[in-house]
Amino acid sequence: AQSVAQPEDQVNVAEGNPLTVKCTYSVSGNPYLFWYVQYPNRGLQFLLKYITGDNLVKGSYGFEAEFNKSQTSFHLKKPSALVSDSALYFCAVRPNSGNTPLVFGKGTRLSVIA
Amino acid sequence: EPEVTQTPSHQVTQMGQEVILRCVPISNHLYFYWYRQILGQKVEFLVSFYNNEISEKSEIFDDQFSVERPDGSNFTLKIRSTKLEDSAMYFCASNQGAGELFFGEGSRLTVL
Repeated sequence: AQSVAQPEDQVNVAEGNPLTVKCTYSVSGNPYLFWYVQYPNRGLQFLLKYITGDNLVKGSYGFEAEFNKSQTSFHLKKPSALVSDSALYFCAVRPNSGNTPLVFGKGTRLSVIA
Repeated sequence: EPEVTQTPSHQVTQMGQEVILRCVPISNHLYFYWYRQILGQKVEFLVSFYNNEISEKSEIFDDQFSVERPDGSNFTLKIRSTKLEDSAMYFCASNQGAGELFFGEGSRLTVL
């Protein structure tokens, strides 16, 4: 069965500084990996995905993530954080065969301080 | 841009009552899902639906839960006899198969 670990409940970063939100995964075979963002009282909004190809994936709002197969990681990054990036971030995984449902991590709350 | 829509946005019910949460997935999508989130915590898979039948379900999705696509447009989640612990945010999602899920804004269920 697949699983996702987001080791940090909370990440604090100053505005303008780079941010990283960590994610590691476990899945049988090759993974499809996703990041979603959730603002207060809202649904989950898709940010980016890794399906195949280039390990560095670029997504919405200047976010990117790097797929590292040897470390089974898919950390979310942004070179310069904005206060408006403050939200709850979820990493998700599923195997790349069949249509097994997405499994989500527990989420990491990002707080960007002005 | 097409989106998944959910109604109601908030429902308050008494324990033991039946609740139906409604979703209109994106029109050309083939796979439909329900997830739930308790108190802004982890997002948990409930059920997936394809070709008018359940394709997978989790341990959470017991006999009190059912899903239906009654008219080719709506996708509903029914909880037959609600319990206090059913209080959560319920999210509907859809996709075309592989790739990302598109989520609705959620229905908040409060069971008293």
